[in-house]
Amino acid sequence: AQSVTQLGSHVSVSEGALVLLRCNYSSSVPPYLFWYVQYPNQGLQLLLKYTTGATLVKGINGFEAEFKKSETSFHLTKPSAHMSDAAEYFCAVSDNYGGSQGNLIFGKGTKLSVKP
Amino acid sequence: DGGITQSPKYLFRKEGQNVTLSCEQNLNHDAMYWYRQDPGQGLRLIYYSQIVNDFQKGDIAEGYSVSREKKESFPLTVTSAQKNPTAFYLCASSGDRIRSPLHFGNGTRLTVT
Repeated sequence: AQSVTQLGSHVSVSEGALVLLRCNYSSSVPPYLFWYVQYPNQGLQLLLKYTTGATLVKGINGFEAEFKKSETSFHLTKPSAHMSDAAEYFCAVSDNYGGSQGNLIFGKGTKLSVKP
Repeated sequence: DGGITQSPKYLFRKEGQNVTLSCEQNLNHDAMYWYRQDPGQGLRLIYYSQIVNDFQKGDIAEGYSVSREKKESFPLTVTSAQKNPTAFYLCASSGDRIRSPLHFGNGTRLTVT
């Protein structure tokens, strides 16, 4: 069965610094991978997704992620953090098995703080 | 403007009472989902429905029930059998269960005392 591990429940960066949020997955078949962002007391919003093709995926708000099969990783990056990036970020993998195929399996989330 | 509407935003109930959370979508999506979110636990799937009049249990269905009588609507009932119902509940939908991303509502925060 698939699983998702997000390393670091809290990450703090300074405004203008690089943002790196880590996500590793386990899957025996090529996965579909997603990053979502959640602002306080709101639902989740899609940042970007990888299904097939180019392994470097660009998303909204300047974020991007690279699918690395050999490392089973899908880390999220942004070159320069902005105060408005402070939120919780979730990595997810699409379940590829049986009747639950298509259901998303979420990591536990990483809260990003941005210091002025 | 298409989207998912969850109501109410905040809900308070006494222990032992059933409560129903509303979820409506106008995205014409076939698939709908209910997730529960607790601090530090990510999202856990309660129930999902791929089509009208059909639904399946997710990972934590005990103490919950759903119905899907209309494509647009997927209400969730939190029953008195749910041992720890206080949580943030998120409804979502998708057009293609395999590749398409989920569209989320803004959630209902349920507090049971």
